[in-house]
Amino acid sequence: AQRVTQPEKLLSVFKGAPVELKCNYSYSGSPELFWYVQYSRQRLQLLLRHISRESIKGFTADLNKGETSFHLKKPFAQEEDSAMYYCALIDGTSYGKLTFGQGTILTVHP
Amino acid sequence: DADVTQTPRNRITKTGKRIMLECSQTKGHDRMYWYRQDPGLGLRLIYYSFDVKDINKGEISDGYSVSRQAQAKFSLSLESAIPNQTALYFCATSDFRDSQETQYFGPGTRLLVL
Repeated sequence: AQRVTQPEKLLSVFKGAPVELKCNYSYSGSPELFWYVQYSRQRLQLLLRHISRESIKGFTADLNKGETSFHLKKPFAQEEDSAMYYCALIDGTSYGKLTFGQGTILTVHP
Repeated sequence: DADVTQTPRNRITKTGKRIMLECSQTKGHDRMYWYRQDPGLGLRLIYYSFDVKDINKGEISDGYSVSRQAQAKFSLSLESAIPNQTALYFCATSDFRDSQETQYFGPGTRLLVL
């Protein structure tokens, strides 16, 4: 069975510092990976997916199949980035079923 | 996204009571999901439905049941609530376009079982 692990429950950085939220997965096939974000008092929403290879709000994430990782990075954190971040995976055989990691609360201090 | 709504938003109930959480969507999506969120555990899938006649158990379906009354409505029931079902419950819908899946979440229902 697939599994998604986010080793950090809490992550604090100062504004302008680089930030990396770690995500590791276990899955034998070719997964599709996502980052979802939940800002305070807002709904959980898609931030980015690995297939798109896009940068959203300055965040990027690269799928590393060798290390089975999909870390989320931003070179210069902003206070408005403070939120709960979830890494998630869809496997190729049960399309639509997302497996979420435990989540990381990012706090960006002024 | 106001297209996915959940009622009630907050609920307090007692052990043994039957309760229903409702989810409605106006996005026209066939796929709907129920998750629960617990601190340190992330979101876990309870049930999902890929169309009106399709209901599937998720990772943690014990103690829960669902009903897909229409494409737009997907209800979650706790037949006999217990305290460890205290959690934040999310409904989600999804579409699958251009070989890509995106899930859209409701605002959540906060449930407390005493």
